[in-house]
Amino acid sequence: DADVTQTPRNRITKTGKRIMLECSQTKGHDRMYWYRQDPGLGLRLIYYSFDVKDINKGEISDGYSVSRQAQAKFSLSLESAIPNQTALYFCATSGKVDEQFFGPGTRLTVL
Amino acid sequence: QKEVEQNSGPLSVPEGAIASLNCTYSDRGSQSFFWYRQYSGKSPELIMSIYSNGDKEDGRFTAQLNKASQYVSLLIRDSQPSDSATYLCAVNPGKSSGDKLTFGTGTRLAVRP
Repeated sequence: DADVTQTPRNRITKTGKRIMLECSQTKGHDRMYWYRQDPGLGLRLIYYSFDVKDINKGEISDGYSVSRQAQAKFSLSLESAIPNQTALYFCATSGKVDEQFFGPGTRLTVL
Repeated sequence: QKEVEQNSGPLSVPEGAIASLNCTYSDRGSQSFFWYRQYSGKSPELIMSIYSNGDKEDGRFTAQLNKASQYVSLLIRDSQPSDSATYLCAVNPGKSSGDKLTFGTGTRLAVRP
């Protein structure tokens, strides 16, 4: 089984809809991250959490919110999706060493 | 100035050749450095990490770090078509950035059969 899983893997939605992307991990890591990737812009950090009670904004948090339900679960929500949030979204985890391990990604399209 | 810079490529090399990928970073206090491989439409996969000046070898991959010159490189020996991918450099600038990784935009490598 994969160490870091993301659901859904693909999602098409309409402008204004609320969307939740979920991430689960079995690596036992405390740190979890949400990134989006756009062509030519690389990976950009949306939110990160170093433990269940510690949640921090990344460089592009506007329009997004997160919930750390447990050590193993970190969800990303788009409260009212807009077309420029169309992107590939990745969850990642890291332990005491700062190597990050990525989930398979969610391809989100907002029409 | 971007914090982590990579040439976007594509870098084209023939099969069997050495591919050399370079990355420069701006924060002199950076302590840890990583190379990820990303196939089109897939997630980044960690292939090398390096923390000290010098070379670190793992199979066909060698990471090289020079903190004085603020660059890190990845050499791929005996390049194979399956190595064709985008290679992302990532740097942890340390406590000043909240101990998070900063990624470059990646270099696309194409290995010609």
